Amino acid sequence: GIQVEQSPPDLILQEGANSTLRCNFSDSVNNLQWFHQNPWGQLINLFYIPSGTKQNGRLSATTVATERYSLLYISSSQTTDSGVYFCAVESGTGTASKLTFGTGTRLQVTL
Amino acid sequence: KAGVTQTPRYLIKTRGQQVTLSCSPISGHRSVSWYQQTPGQGLQFLFEYFSETQRNKGNFPGRFSGRQFSNSRSEMNVSTLELGDSALYLCASSSLGGAGGELFFGEGSRLTVL
Repeated sequence: GIQVEQSPPDLILQEGANSTLRCNFSDSVNNLQWFHQNPWGQLINLFYIPSGTKQNGRLSATTVATERYSLLYISSSQTTDSGVYFCAVESGTGTASKLTFGTGTRLQVTL
Repeated sequence: KAGVTQTPRYLIKTRGQQVTLSCSPISGHRSVSWYQQTPGQGLQFLFEYFSETQRNKGNFPGRFSGRQFSNSRSEMNVSTLELGDSALYLCASSSLGGAGGELFFGEGSRLTVL
């Protein structure tokens, strides 16, 4: 099956710093989503981005499907950005389609 | 509009028991999928239902089952619980089944098996 790798696995930032999280996938995908898992476990949608670039406030994401990677940019980080960031890719067609999650990047933003 | 609702949020069971978890999707969404999250295995796909039909299934034993009702609400059941079933179970809804649908997750049901 498709492999999804995220880097770095862990990241510690000081408040105000910028960061880039990467998601590599081993095969072509139908779509890609980025999520932030909050301390209570809920996965919060950040971006639905099968290709191209999107921005939402301090966050932006770029997916280059032909090169099989996606990047999540966090600018001017805040302590509330702490948590685990997952990318998830959908591959296959019809009833064979499935969502595969990456291993996540654990981000800690300190004062 | 209301988000995805999962109940119960927390529960404790003992080995050998069974458990039923419930998920109410966003109004108008017909696809519901279930995921298991554990520290060792990460997030793994369990199954997806669309219009009351199971469309896809992950690599889990037959002890894990689910169903979807005509109002799109879904339940998953785990029978003969094992210690390794302790996990966060997440449900997601989508307006589109299968490929192409943006997923929205509930807050999860945290199961502890003693």
